[in-house]
Amino acid sequence: DVKVTQSSRYLVKRTGEKVFLECVQDMDHENMFWYRQDPGLGLRLIYFSYDVKMKEKGDIPEGYSVSREKKERFSLILESASTNQTSMYLCASSPTGGYTFGSGTRLTVV
Amino acid sequence: DAKTTQPTSMDCAEGRAANLPCNHSTISGNEYVYWYRQIHSQGPQYIIHGLKNNETNEMASLIITEDRKSSTLILPHATLRDTAVYYCIATPTYSGGGADGLTFGKGTHLIIQP
Repeated sequence: DVKVTQSSRYLVKRTGEKVFLECVQDMDHENMFWYRQDPGLGLRLIYFSYDVKMKEKGDIPEGYSVSREKKERFSLILESASTNQTSMYLCASSPTGGYTFGSGTRLTVV
Repeated sequence: DAKTTQPTSMDCAEGRAANLPCNHSTISGNEYVYWYRQIHSQGPQYIIHGLKNNETNEMASLIITEDRKSSTLILPHATLRDTAVYYCIATPTYSGGGADGLTFGKGTHLIIQP
C-alpha cells in the first residue's frame, strides 16, 4: 500500500515556538503539498514542491516556510507559531491517478 | 480549476445506491473531474476521476453528462463507513493536480442512515 506518513497526529506548541511538521512518502512522487483545513474554510493550499529543493507558494503561505532536501520528505515550518495557526495540517503527494493524503496533524498553538 | 457546485448535505439509506451530483458548467475541455472523500478526522481519499467517458472502479462509478457540465458519483451499495464529506473537483491536470495543487470546495456531507 502506498503511503504518506505525517510524523505526528497531535501536537501542542506554545506561541512563538518554531514548529516542524514532517511528511514522508514512499511512492517516489515528484509533487508534494501542504494544506491546512479549518471549519467552514475547507482545505487551503499552503506550499507545494514539484522537485527536490524546489518550492512554490500556495494560497496562504504567510507565516510558513518549507524544506525539500530529499524527494521523499517535505517539511512544513512555522517560524514563530501563532494561535491563528491552530489547525489540521494535511500533507499530500501525487501523481498516481489522484493525490494521496496523509492522516493529518492536528496542531494546537497555545 | 473550474468552479464546482455540490449540495451541502445528503442522506442515503444503508444498502441503497448513493448518487452525489456535481455541477461544473464552466469546465474546460482539458479539465478532468476528480472525486475525493474525507471521513471525519482523516485525510482526504481519492475515489475516481474521468474526462468524458463514464468510469467505474472498486469504490464507485462516475457518470459525466455528454456536455460535461455536470457529473454524478455513484456508490452502488452504501454502508455506514461511506459517511463522509465528498469533494468534486475539476482540474486541468491528468494526475489530479500534478504540480500546482487542487482547489477543494465545501463538498457534500453524505450521511448513511442505518
